[in-house]
Amino acid sequence: KQEVTQIPAALSVPEGENLVLNCSFTDSAIYNLQWFRQDPGKGLTSLLLIQSSQREQTSGRLNASLDKSSGRSTLYIAASQPGDSATYLCAVHGSSNTGKLIFGQGTTLQVKP
Amino acid sequence: GAGVSQTPSNKVTEKGKYVELRCDPISGHTALYWYRQSLGQGPEFLIYFQGTGAADDSGLPNDRFFAVRPEGSVSTLKIQRTERGDSAVYLCASSLNPGLAGYNEQFFGPGTRLTVL
Repeated sequence: KQEVTQIPAALSVPEGENLVLNCSFTDSAIYNLQWFRQDPGKGLTSLLLIQSSQREQTSGRLNASLDKSSGRSTLYIAASQPGDSATYLCAVHGSSNTGKLIFGQGTTLQVKP
Repeated sequence: GAGVSQTPSNKVTEKGKYVELRCDPISGHTALYWYRQSLGQGPEFLIYFQGTGAADDSGLPNDRFFAVRPEGSVSTLKIQRTERGDSAVYLCASSLNPGLAGYNEQFFGPGTRLTVL
C-alpha cells in the first residue's frame, strides 16, 4: 500500500530564505507526482507536476525534483516571501493508473516578514 | 467555466439527514475525482469517474456514500444518514486524461465544507 510522508509538518522561516520541503513515498512505481499549495479554508492549487520519466520541473521560484528509485521528491522555494505562507501537499499517482492521488499530510509553511 | 466549481461552499446538516454535494468540472475534462479532507490531514481519495462510469470507487467508506455523473460532466456526491464523522471538506478535481502524460494534471475545486451536527 502506497504511503506518502512529508517532513517537516511545519516550518517557519524569515523572508528571503531558500527552503526545501520533503516528500517520501513507499512504492517507487508511480505514474507522476504533483505538488499543491493550500491556503487556509481554500481548495488546492496545483504548483508542479513531474511525470515518472522526468527528474525535475521548474516554475518561477519553485523547483521540484523527483528520485523514483529512492522514493523521494523535494520542493525548493527560492527567496521565500510572506505570500508563500500556506500548506504544501505532495501527492503521488500510482502506476495502476486508476487516477487517484495519494497525499501526504502536508507541510505548513510560515514566512515571516 | 474557467475552473472546477463546487456547490454549496458550506453545508450544515443534522445527524441522520441526506445531503448532496455538486461538482462542475473544467469543460472538456473526462476524468472527475472526489476526495475528502479532514482537519490537519491530506485529502483522501473517494471515487474516480472516467466519463459517466465510476472507474474506481475503492475509497468510498461505506454504502451510505454514493456518487453519480450521468452525462459525463457534472457529478453529485450523495451521503445518506449522515453521521458526525462525515464532517469534513469534500473536494472535487478533474483532469483531461489520467492515462496520458501531459494531460493528467488534476485541478481542484474550492471544496464543500460539510458539518454534521
